[in-house]
Amino acid sequence: RKEVEQDPGPFNVPEGATVAFNCTYSNSASQSFFWYRQDCRKEPKLLMSVYSSGNEDGRFTAQLNRASQYISLLIRDSKLSDSATYLCVVSRGSGNTGKLIFGQGTTLQVKP
Amino acid sequence: DGGITQSPKYLFRKEGQNVTLSCEQNLNHDAMYWYRQDPGQGLRLIYYSQIVNDFQKGDIAEGYSVSREKKESFPLTVTSAQKNPTAFYLCASSIPAGRTDTQYFGPGTRLTVL
Repeated sequence: RKEVEQDPGPFNVPEGATVAFNCTYSNSASQSFFWYRQDCRKEPKLLMSVYSSGNEDGRFTAQLNRASQYISLLIRDSKLSDSATYLCVVSRGSGNTGKLIFGQGTTLQVKP
Repeated sequence: DGGITQSPKYLFRKEGQNVTLSCEQNLNHDAMYWYRQDPGQGLRLIYYSQIVNDFQKGDIAEGYSVSREKKESFPLTVTSAQKNPTAFYLCASSIPAGRTDTQYFGPGTRLTVL
């Protein structure tokens, strides 16, 4: 089993649609959670951190379910510019190593 | 402007050659990381350093070497012992040392072995 699993997609949606990505992780000791965005042939960039209570940033909402070891990202009112690969990222464990585990990413294609 | 720079952007290497990828940051970050990304795969950790003059192997360190003589710099050498070096190499940094915190990435170096 992969440490961080994502549905690779691609998700093809029309502009204005709402789309949700899911991610599961295997290490119950993980403490930090993130969503990164990666454009084609570019470096990953932080989209948002994920907090236990859930958090929202504009059209983006992230949720964490520690009991199920499940993270989600919801994008509302999709824009063409949202087309990218979204990486689910989880810390290695409770130790303070600074090490992260990256999922393989979910590709989103927003169409006019 | 603060940030992370990597050079070169593209690098071509003949089999049997060692090459060194540059990574410099002016964010005053303590920790620095090297990752490798292959098509359709997640990032895999090669080496990381939490403080100057100290570094640790990541998950796929074989065939690679690093140094951390200055806080700002964390060069990666891809040696001839690395069997499949063609990949996208990403350097990242974070603060503070010893904590899991947000990592910021440089623009990457695409290495192709001819």
